[in-house]
Order: sequence, then C-alpha cells, then structure tokens
Amino acid sequence: AQSVTQPDIHITVSEGASLELRCNYSYGATPYLFWYVQSPGQGLQLLLKYFSGDTLVQGIKGFEAEFKRSQSSFNLRKPSVHWSDAAEYFCAVGLAAGNKLTFGGGTRVLVKP
Amino acid sequence: GAVVSQHPSWVICKSGTSVKIECRSLDFQATTMFWYRQFPKQSLMLMATSNEGSKATYEQGVEKDKFLINHASLTLSTLTVTSAHPEDSSFYICSARDHRLAGGPGDTQYFGPGTRLTVL
Repeated sequence: AQSVTQPDIHITVSEGASLELRCNYSYGATPYLFWYVQSPGQGLQLLLKYFSGDTLVQGIKGFEAEFKRSQSSFNLRKPSVHWSDAAEYFCAVGLAAGNKLTFGGGTRVLVKP
Repeated sequence: GAVVSQHPSWVICKSGTSVKIECRSLDFQATTMFWYRQFPKQSLMLMATSNEGSKATYEQGVEKDKFLINHASLTLSTLTVTSAHPEDSSFYICSARDHRLAGGPGDTQYFGPGTRLTVL
C-alpha cells in the first residue's frame, strides 16, 4: 500500500532563512508527487508537482522540490521564507495528477519575525 | 484558474440529524470528484471517489450508508452525513478533476475550501 511520511510535524524558521520540508513515500511504481499548502481558512493550493523529467521542480511562490528516486524522497525547499509562508504543508502521491491522492501527515511551518 | 466551491463553509447540527454538503466545479466539468476528511491538526484522508452518473467508490473503512455521495451532474457532487454524531465532526474537503484534461499532460484536480461540520 502506498504511504507518505513527513517526518517533521512542526518547523519554526526565521523570516529570511531557508526552509526545507522532508517527504518520503512508499509506492508500487513511480507516482505523481505533489506539494500542497493549506493556509487557515483557505483551501489546498498546489505548489508544484513531479512525474518525470528534470528531478528539480520549480513551483509557485518561490518553492522548489527535488525528487530523489534512490531515497524515495521529494523534499520541498525555499531559499528565503516570508511571513506569509506560515501554513501547513502537505506532500501527496497519486497515480495521476487528477487521481485520488494519498497525503502525508503535514508539516506546520511557523515563521519568526 | 479553475474554482471549486463548497457549501456550506461551516455547519453546526444536532446529533441524529443529517447534513448535506455540496461541492461544485464553477468553470469546468468534473466527471470525477473526491471527498476527503481532515481531523484537527491531521492530514487528509480520502473517503470516496465520486463519479458522475454512477455509484461512488468508498475507501476501506468508510461507511457508505453513513456518508451518502451523489454526483448527479458534471458540476455537482453532494456528501450527506446521515444521522450525524459528534464523532463525525470534522473538516470535509472535496476536489474535482477537470474532465477535459483527464488523462492528458494537463490532468489536474482542484480543491474546494472545505466545510467544517460540528455535531453537538
């Protein structure tokens, strides 16, 4: 069965500092990989997705993620966080971009001024 | 971009009553919609896949008689929580797959803002 693990439940980072969120997955085949952000009172917003091609994927809001097949990982990074990046971040996998998704437990990011 | 709406955004009901939640794709057609449940400070768990014109496919452990799903049109799916109890209190989120893009390189789904259900 597929599973997604986000080892960090909370991360606190200073504004302007870099951010890295970890995601590991277990899947029978190479899945589609996603990162979503959920802000209070708002729906899930897709940051980026990966299926094939360049393993470094650029997304919206200055985020990028790197797929490492050997480590079954898809870590999300941002070089310099802004206070508005404080939110819950979910890694997800699926057979297709429009198919049902399996989500990780989420990482809550707090940004210190 | 594509928009998915949910109605109501929040609802409070008494134990034993039924509650209907609507999920609408506003500017695209969705033959497939998904219903997720999110407990406080937890992740999203898929409840069921809703297919227009056919029966929903429920995930293991989800009571189909408890959570009735109807996908009667290409833009609307409804989730009815029947005989709701306090343990059904949760955040319910739907997503909709753009029918025109399904299976192609642009295949994607859009999430609604969620509905918070509180059962007293």
